[in-house]
Amino acid sequence: EPEVTQTPSHQVTQMGQEVILRCVPISNHLYFYWYRQILGQKVEFLVSFYNNEISEKSEIFDDQFSVERPDGSNFTLKIRSTKLEDSAMYFCASSELGEQNSPLHFGNGTRLTVT
Amino acid sequence: AQSVAQPEDQVNVAEGNPLTVKCTYSVSGNPYLFWYVQYPNRGLQFLLKYITGDNLVKGSYGFEAEFNKSQTSFHLKKPSALVSDSALYFCAVRDDNYGQNFVFGPGTRLSVLP
Repeated sequence: EPEVTQTPSHQVTQMGQEVILRCVPISNHLYFYWYRQILGQKVEFLVSFYNNEISEKSEIFDDQFSVERPDGSNFTLKIRSTKLEDSAMYFCASSELGEQNSPLHFGNGTRLTVT
Repeated sequence: AQSVAQPEDQVNVAEGNPLTVKCTYSVSGNPYLFWYVQYPNRGLQFLLKYITGDNLVKGSYGFEAEFNKSQTSFHLKKPSALVSDSALYFCAVRDDNYGQNFVFGPGTRLSVLP
């Protein structure tokens, strides 16, 4: 069964550094998302992406964050200058259609640790 | 805006007993409801979704969910729990008035005791 893949599985960085989290969504999916989860708690929406542009973003997704689909397969999340509070699990997800009952398919996440 | 509540942080059940994990929601438009399960160090795995007109929907691994419009609930159920069902369960909702965003509940940790 096709999967969403994320790399790296664990990223450690120093405060103020830039990080790029990478995702390969399922190949025929059209909608892409980033969510984050702090300490196994609530899953928070960051951003959704469709047709090469951001379709929605949350208050968390400030100017420090950006997303890009640099080619036909990758979908990246960049954090420009990391803060301690950015430490979390970051999940990429994709869905096949934009219909409201299309489920999201998640990757296994990247654990970001900011020191 | 849409919201989801899972009133129980933790549910404990003995193996072989039925289990229920509760979820209530609030939307302004039509609700699109989902259950996900998360095992340690893994992503969220889709279990089932509400299908309009079906008050009882069946999903993966023997799970089912009961939709109740008047109570705005979508409780997850399983007739006979397994130890391997122990995980974190998330209810999620999309509101057709609010685009593509899924809103997740805070999660309920299910422990099935042997």
